[in-house]
Amino acid sequence: DQQVKQNSPSLSVQEGRISILNCDYTNSMFDYFLWYKKYPAEGPTFLISISSIKDKNEDGRFTVFLNKSAKHLSLHIVPSQPGDSAVYFCAATSTNAGKSTFGDGTTLTVKP
Amino acid sequence: DTGVSQDPRHKITKRGQNVTFRCDPISEHNRLYWYRQTLGQGPEFLTYFQNEAQLEKSRLLSDRFSAERPKGSFSTLEIQRTEQGDSAMYLCAVPVLYNEQFFGPGTRLTVL
Repeated sequence: DQQVKQNSPSLSVQEGRISILNCDYTNSMFDYFLWYKKYPAEGPTFLISISSIKDKNEDGRFTVFLNKSAKHLSLHIVPSQPGDSAVYFCAATSTNAGKSTFGDGTTLTVKP
Repeated sequence: DTGVSQDPRHKITKRGQNVTFRCDPISEHNRLYWYRQTLGQGPEFLTYFQNEAQLEKSRLLSDRFSAERPKGSFSTLEIQRTEQGDSAMYLCAVPVLYNEQFFGPGTRLTVL
């Protein structure tokens, strides 16, 4: 049973437009959510996170939205840049659990 | 400063052979995590250490797998009698900030 799901394996957007990546989770014990970015031949790199006590967290061009009732979060990238092209993983954890549960990723391609 | 090195970066072995991977955080971290990532999937938790103690092991970690962290600094992951299904990227991570993790570059294992 996959507890974190990213239903879109890939997404293609034009440079300068908005990229929206979605993630759903099933475990109600999750209270902290993260997005990681991964380039080929590298480990995942932390991008942005959000606690369950918030519904929005913003960091520059990146904003994460959390809808607890729907068990859904999304990552918005505005404006998208070609350097944003990578695989994006959604992850979830419970406070003090340490380990994270990851989705299968969405490959974002930003076209110049 | 946070950083994690992993050695080797690539390993090709024949089925039935034993392999050992090493993870070296550049600074002290109480916790250290191992994940495995197969093609098209997100990282899956294998095990984690609190100092020298191995506190949790995933069901994915069969009895052919063993991990150690003898001095609470570097860690090793050994796979005995490798199988083709063990082919994957093995990632090591340390905690930063709250629940975020800093990942090493990974060891890619190919079992022929």
